[in-house]
Amino acid sequence: KAGVTQTPRYLIKTRGQQVTLSCSPISGHRSVSWYQQTPGQGLQFLFEYFSETQRNKGNFPGRFSGRQFSNSRSEMNVSTLELGDSALYLCASSPGGWRDIQYFGAGTRLSVL
Amino acid sequence: QQPVQSPQAVILREGEDAVINCSSSKALYSVHWYRQKHGEAPVFLMILLKGGEQKGHEKISASFNEKKQQSSLYLTASQLSYSGTYFCGTASMNYGGSQGNLIFGKGTKLSVKP
Repeated sequence: KAGVTQTPRYLIKTRGQQVTLSCSPISGHRSVSWYQQTPGQGLQFLFEYFSETQRNKGNFPGRFSGRQFSNSRSEMNVSTLELGDSALYLCASSPGGWRDIQYFGAGTRLSVL
Repeated sequence: QQPVQSPQAVILREGEDAVINCSSSKALYSVHWYRQKHGEAPVFLMILLKGGEQKGHEKISASFNEKKQQSSLYLTASQLSYSGTYFCGTASMNYGGSQGNLIFGKGTKLSVKP
């Protein structure tokens, strides 16, 4: 079974631009969660999508948004990038969501210059 | 509310034991443990559920004190491969138990030396 795939692996953007990250979950998994990881802060929850609906959202500004398609693939968008958005963005898929084992992708490393 | 992990870092010699603690101020439905090696994705270790159910790797041991909202991960006879950052994630029940989200602590960095 293929694992969670995130693309691209690395991105360099400048302040003010927007970016879209993609996550393909494990086949059959309906839940996709997104996390931002920065040194010293651990994994900070962004949002979770389940069957194309956003079920939960963390404490991030509205510049961070996401969506999930009918095939469970998910995208995360960050608009008007700020230097502080530089981070590793991880997505995790699971069969049922927060009650289940989370299978993480390798992440997208975003650098904002 | 982000759970608090302790210690923040620990250095062990091969064969030594370690305990990593995770504490939350909220009533919990479950506690999850993951390990992340440098440059890699976090990997599942254990889920401990309210009521006593556990799912995880046979070689991993953990406890969950529901009343105190605390969990501990026990690493015995450590090996070099145990090195990495350990994260606990806590799930609290919202909206009558139908929804929730997993909130992770800042991590505990474990280094095992030969």
